Amino acid sequence: NAGVMQNPRHLVRRRGQEARLRCSPMKGHSHVYWYRQLPEEGLKFMVYLQKENIIDESGMPKERFSAEFPKEGPSILRIQQVVRGDSAAYFCASSPRQGANEQFFGPGTRLTVL
Amino acid sequence: GENVEQHPSTLSVQEGDSAVIKCTYSDSASNYFPWYKQELGKRPQLIIDIRSNVGEKKDQRIAVTLNKTAKHFSLHITETQPEDSAVYFCAASIGDNYGQNFVFGPGTRLSVLP
Repeated sequence: NAGVMQNPRHLVRRRGQEARLRCSPMKGHSHVYWYRQLPEEGLKFMVYLQKENIIDESGMPKERFSAEFPKEGPSILRIQQVVRGDSAAYFCASSPRQGANEQFFGPGTRLTVL
Repeated sequence: GENVEQHPSTLSVQEGDSAVIKCTYSDSASNYFPWYKQELGKRPQLIIDIRSNVGEKKDQRIAVTLNKTAKHFSLHITETQPEDSAVYFCAASIGDNYGQNFVFGPGTRLSVLP
């Protein structure tokens, strides 16, 4: 049973470009969470999604950031017009069912904005 | 909203000694408290968790205690080994029975000296 998968593992973008980060949850998991981690800092919640629904996006910046989890395929975190401050590790986590507590993390995508 | 504080930010112990990391939370509705270990460049991995209806939980060299009244919980590692060196994050759940996400503490960098 494969764990949470994320790709790419490393992504380099120039200022103004778009970044697309993908997350495939563990098999059987229908809840996906995205977190951002700046160097030497903790994990900051961004958004919580279930298939075709955004449950909580209270941690998402109001502009340039969006997330989706379609019926088929991975969850996507999209950052438009990236700036240097977007450089961070982006982790997704998944959990199995409604009301479940445990979250299992993917390996992260390290975004570098030049 | 929920706020999680974590102390100390760095901790150095001699191999074989015990390590204790403490966290406090603000939202009395939080009912699930996981601890994650993150090695350099790796994903956070769940090492132990505790639910609000339990005061203490132990798994080999790791234990967690929870004081709901005081809103604090602690991680205890006994007989520390060099491979315990990592950053440890506590978290508190927020949400309802439909789904929950986490607020993480800022992390504790544990160094176990041989």
